[in-house]
Amino acid sequence: AQKITQTQPGMFVQEKEAVTLDCTYDTSDPSYGLFWYKQPSSGEMIFLIYQGSYDQQNATEGRYSLNFQKARKSANLVISASQLGDSAMYFCAMREGESGGYQKVTFGIGTKLQVIP
Amino acid sequence: GAVVSQHPSWVICKSGTSVKIECRSLDFQATTMFWYRQFPKQSLMLMATSNEGSKATYEQGVEKDKFLINHASLTLSTLTVTSAHPEDSSFYICSASLLAASTDTQYFGPGTRLTVL
Repeated sequence: AQKITQTQPGMFVQEKEAVTLDCTYDTSDPSYGLFWYKQPSSGEMIFLIYQGSYDQQNATEGRYSLNFQKARKSANLVISASQLGDSAMYFCAMREGESGGYQKVTFGIGTKLQVIP
Repeated sequence: GAVVSQHPSWVICKSGTSVKIECRSLDFQATTMFWYRQFPKQSLMLMATSNEGSKATYEQGVEKDKFLINHASLTLSTLTVTSAHPEDSSFYICSASLLAASTDTQYFGPGTRLTVL
């Protein structure tokens, strides 16, 4: 079974609107971490936001927020007030197990977001 | 923030030659570095995990004799693609784990695009 599922290969959003990128995950480990990364056409992977499995509140970082629904095993990324520079590939990723050492991170296949002027 | 550099950013080589890619954490010490490979329009595939002062841990299906990894110091890991062939052409990207409290966030280098003729 896929550990990280991103079902939207491509998304369009109007500039200044909000957009939600879907991510569901599969794990039996009670301790895990969820990440979102942005990859523009230049190729670099940019860390956006992190959510721990024990975190009580949804993570937020500026215009990025993570809609964490633990029972549904979903960790959707919400980008508010989209900007042209947000056009990129977005990857959801998961670390299983406790932090504090080497833990393998599994990436989803990504969602390509295009912001329309 | 945590900055990871990679060198070179791109390289073109002849079939049969070896290519070395460097990954450096610039403003933090990274006991663990990761090497990924990414084919066009696909997700990141973990190749190996590199721990300072010890042998790298390779993922299943990755040839350790072909992809030599050396983690010489807390800020430098190198990936050498030995006897490169056209099928090794890909985007190689490293990351370093910043052991911040309960996150294990990986910060990525800008990537190296390898083309083998």
